[in-house]
Amino acid sequence: AQRVTQPEKLLSVFKGAPVELKCNYSYSGSPELFWYVQYSRQRLQLLLRHISRESIKGFTADLNKGETSFHLKKPFAQEEDSAMYYCALSRTSGSRLTFGEGTQLTVNP
Amino acid sequence: EAEVAQSPRYKITEKSQAVAFWCDPISGHATLYWYRQILGQGPELLVQFQDESVVDDSQLPKDRFSAERLKGVDSTLKIQPAELGDSAMYLCASSWDSGTGTTTDTQYFGPGTRLTVL
Repeated sequence: AQRVTQPEKLLSVFKGAPVELKCNYSYSGSPELFWYVQYSRQRLQLLLRHISRESIKGFTADLNKGETSFHLKKPFAQEEDSAMYYCALSRTSGSRLTFGEGTQLTVNP
Repeated sequence: EAEVAQSPRYKITEKSQAVAFWCDPISGHATLYWYRQILGQGPELLVQFQDESVVDDSQLPKDRFSAERLKGVDSTLKIQPAELGDSAMYLCASSWDSGTGTTTDTQYFGPGTRLTVL
């Protein structure tokens, strides 16, 4: 069975500080990992995926297969980054997403 | 920009009543997903369609939940009878099928239907 764990339900940082949202997963194969974000009063949307190796809105995430982690990082947090962040896993392209419980990030001025 | 549409946005019902939710995916998206999100948790898949066929309903409580996508476009999720524990956000998502047997992995989500069972 696949499982995604986000150990922090709440995370609060000051503007300009680095931020790291933790994500650990359990799956016996080679999953695809994603970060989804939900801003206030908006729908859930894809932030980034590990296969793209891209930086979106200054965020990056590195897949560490040895530690089965996919932590989301940003060197300088902005107030507009305040949102709910979900880490998610899928076994294959197009298959269902298994989500973590989410981390509510608050960036204070 | 095309978006996934859902209705109603909010639904309040009494225990043992029947409820139905509707989803219209992005045009051209062959794969449609229904997720349930209980407050404080991440979304969990209920059912996945590829065109009009169900490809994953392993977590759908089939004694009370049903889903259909008759023409392979829009979809309806029904609960009968509703129970108190069904109170949740019901999310619909869709993704594009390249037609080569590979579905792109970006799922686009609708705004959700918030169900409250009294």
